[in-house]
Amino acid sequence: SAVISQKPSRDICQRGTSLTIQCQVDSQVTMMFWYRQQPGQSLTLIATANQGSEATYESGFVIDKFPISRPNLTFSTLTVSNMSPEDSSIYLCSVEGATGSDEQFFGPGTRLTVL
Amino acid sequence: GNSVTQMEGPVTLSEEAFLTINCTYTATGYPSLFWYVQYPGEGLQLLLKATKADDKGSNKGFEATYRKETTSFHLEKGSVQVSDSAVYFCALSVGSNYQLIWGAGTKLIIKP
Repeated sequence: SAVISQKPSRDICQRGTSLTIQCQVDSQVTMMFWYRQQPGQSLTLIATANQGSEATYESGFVIDKFPISRPNLTFSTLTVSNMSPEDSSIYLCSVEGATGSDEQFFGPGTRLTVL
Repeated sequence: GNSVTQMEGPVTLSEEAFLTINCTYTATGYPSLFWYVQYPGEGLQLLLKATKADDKGSNKGFEATYRKETTSFHLEKGSVQVSDSAVYFCALSVGSNYQLIWGAGTKLIIKP
């Protein structure tokens, strides 16, 4: 399985500012996913990021608020823009499993608190 | 549409008790089914999976059988340990876009 790291692991930010979260994978993957997990809740998919194309956003999430970059097959960033306390969550990136597998492997997450 | 329903938590058991966490699903097509576990302060880990009817996934003493007739994928363990305390998520995948549909998660608390 892929080894996935995220930076930062946690951060406390002021409202109105932006934070960029990095996701690094130790192998090349086609699809990367960004999720939000609000306190005590399940995961909500924000967007799917394929290298070389624009990210595909789920209903309720827009590019202006959550811009995503996918410059190569091992790296992606998610920016949380113009933050408010409602953006306080854990943000997780994941990647697809081996070719032909439909499982996902997750990074350790970024715990964001917005004051 | 596709959906996953899990039993609500928290589930509190004593060490060495038998565990069942119920998961039922609604899906078009033939989904793959997963259990993920999230230990306190950690990310999600794949616990086990099953890709077709009657398959049994197993790992770390946990088992789940893909039951198409009852659209269920219940998680079981014969004797739980304190270290099993975590949140368990049932999920399904349908189609070729690798997207997962998640249950709400069940918090498991094991007391010594």
